[in-house]
Amino acid sequence: AQSVTQLDSHVSVSEGTPVLLRCNYSSSYSPSLFWYVQHPNKGLQLLLKYTSAATLVKGINGFEAEFKKSETSFHLTKPSAHMSDAAEYFCVVSVDDYKLSFGAGTTVTVRA
Amino acid sequence: GAVVSQHPSWVICKSGTSVKIECRSLDFQATTMFWYRQFPKQSLMLMATSNEGSKATYEQGVEKDKFLINHASLTLSTLTVTSAHPEDSSFYICSARDTSNQPQHFGDGTRLSIL
Repeated sequence: AQSVTQLDSHVSVSEGTPVLLRCNYSSSYSPSLFWYVQHPNKGLQLLLKYTSAATLVKGINGFEAEFKKSETSFHLTKPSAHMSDAAEYFCVVSVDDYKLSFGAGTTVTVRA
Repeated sequence: GAVVSQHPSWVICKSGTSVKIECRSLDFQATTMFWYRQFPKQSLMLMATSNEGSKATYEQGVEKDKFLINHASLTLSTLTVTSAHPEDSSFYICSARDTSNQPQHFGDGTRLSIL
């Protein structure tokens, strides 16, 4: 079965410093992977997706993620955090053609 | 593009009443819509999947008679929580997609509080 594990429940960074959110996946075949962001009392916004094209995926708002098959990882990074990046982040894998399986989420706080 | 509108954003009602939540795709035709439930500080849990014109497919443990889903058109799906009780209080989020290669687009969610 396809699943994802987010390794950090909470990440705190200073504004202007890099952000790293870690995600490992489990899949019996080449998966489709996504990162979504959720601000308080809001729905989810797609940051980026991996669908077996380039292993380095660039997303919106300066985020990018690298698919590493040997490590079964899909970590999300941003070189310089902004206050507006404070939110909940979900790593997601496509279970079949349309269902999604969500990680537990990582809460990002950004210190001024 | 790909905007999903969910209404209402917040609802408070008495125990025993029924509540309807609407999910609309504003600029695309949603062949498939999904309903999720999210408890505080937790991830999203898929409740059901609905295809336009068909009966919804419910996930294990979700009561189909409690959570009625209708997907009568390519732009609208509704979730009705029947005879709601305090334990039904939660954040409900819908999403929609048009083709199998496109990611799901999410609504802003509905905060349901049952007194």
